[in-house]
Amino acid sequence: QVQLQESGPGLVKPAQTVSLTCTVSGASTNTGDYFWSWFRQPPGKALEWIGYIFYSGSTKYNPSLQSRVVVSLDTSQNQFSLSLTAVTAADTAIYYCARGAFTYGHHTMWGQGTLLTVSS
Amino acid sequence: SFELTQPPSVSVSPGQTATVTCSGDQLGNTFTSWYQQKPGQSPVVVIYQDVKRPSGIPDRFSASNSGRTATLTISGAQSIDEADYYCQAWDSKTIFFGGGTKLTVL
Repeated sequence: QVQLQESGPGLVKPAQTVSLTCTVSGASTNTGDYFWSWFRQPPGKALEWIGYIFYSGSTKYNPSLQSRVVVSLDTSQNQFSLSLTAVTAADTAIYYCARGAFTYGHHTMWGQGTLLTVSS
Repeated sequence: SFELTQPPSVSVSPGQTATVTCSGDQLGNTFTSWYQQKPGQSPVVVIYQDVKRPSGIPDRFSASNSGRTATLTISGAQSIDEADYYCQAWDSKTIFFGGGTKLTVL
């Protein structure tokens, strides 16, 4: 049974850099069949795709966030991470990690989400 | 790069057919998927590869994708189908996401 679990600091101050981690169980991240994505959802607002990483290390990002985002992969730990720089209150959201199927691009498994609040 | 446009809200009476649209240039040339998200829950894929239902998704969910519009259809909508629905396009290994549609069943 594949499971994804996000973890993060919960609360960060404006202008800081934040890192979130997604731990995958029941499946290997070192496979060409899937890619590993991050999404976010501000309270009461729509889902937004942030970016993904493929097992080879290649990445794709949402152009609107590309300048502040890095997604990395640690296959030895079966984890992938999101780094977001220069955060502001607008980055307050629930952050989800998800597994995407490479052939058709759909996300088959999602984590439960972790709330990140940016506040001084 | 292109944007996906969904209506903010759709209402349907129980037992009737609900239709949620997703529009974007050349959307018909991409693989489209649809997600259902209920309050406080993570999204769940209900349609992938334009028209396919994952196992466990009721057959009242169907979809089409042609030209500029992808359509999610829920036949015989039930109160449990009340949720936000998002479309996603997969094109050249890039992901495009719609703004979501709130489906109300009343």
